[in-house]
Amino acid sequence: NAGVTQTPKFRILKIGQSMTLQCTQDMNHNYMYWYRQDPGMGLKLIYYSVGAGITDKGEVPNGYNVSRSTTEDFPLRLELAAPSQTSVYFCASRQDSTDTQYFGPGTRLTVL
Amino acid sequence: GENVEQHPSTLSVQEGDSAVIKCTYSDSASNYFPWYKQELGKRPQLIIDIRSNVGEKKDQRIAVTLNKTAKHFSLHITETQPEDSAVYFCAAMDTGRRALTFGSGTRLQVQP
Repeated sequence: NAGVTQTPKFRILKIGQSMTLQCTQDMNHNYMYWYRQDPGMGLKLIYYSVGAGITDKGEVPNGYNVSRSTTEDFPLRLELAAPSQTSVYFCASRQDSTDTQYFGPGTRLTVL
Repeated sequence: GENVEQHPSTLSVQEGDSAVIKCTYSDSASNYFPWYKQELGKRPQLIIDIRSNVGEKKDQRIAVTLNKTAKHFSLHITETQPEDSAVYFCAAMDTGRRALTFGSGTRLQVQP
């Protein structure tokens, strides 16, 4: 199993550009999450999904959108990038039987 | 929503000493409390977790204690080693979203 994978690893965007952060898991987990981590801080929940076709907002959803068309994939879309979205983005999935969350390697995004 | 406070923000110990990191949470319905270790530029890695029906759990040099009444939990690392140096995060999982709310992190430095 590859676990949770994310692409790209790094990206620099200009203000106003858009992009999609990709997240895939091969563990057949229903729950998936997007967190952001600002420098020196803990992770904050952006969006989450309890299964294909079902998504909901977390603590900091403004400026982001998600979709979940399959169990495996949970992409995060940034529209009109702003400097405040400079952060490291982690995708995670949760194992139902243990509550353990498995994190992807992260995407480091800089908006200039 | 859930709020998790973590102390101290930095902790420096001598190799071989013990380290203790403390967290409090606000939502009495939270029932799962993991601890993550994060090295620079890496994803958070689960090191130990505890459920609300257990008061203490130990794994070699690492232990976690939970006081449900007071709504606080602590991480104890004994016989610290330089490779324990990292940022440690506590988290609490709510029963609704099954998403994690993270503390702000503790930077542990183990001096050889």
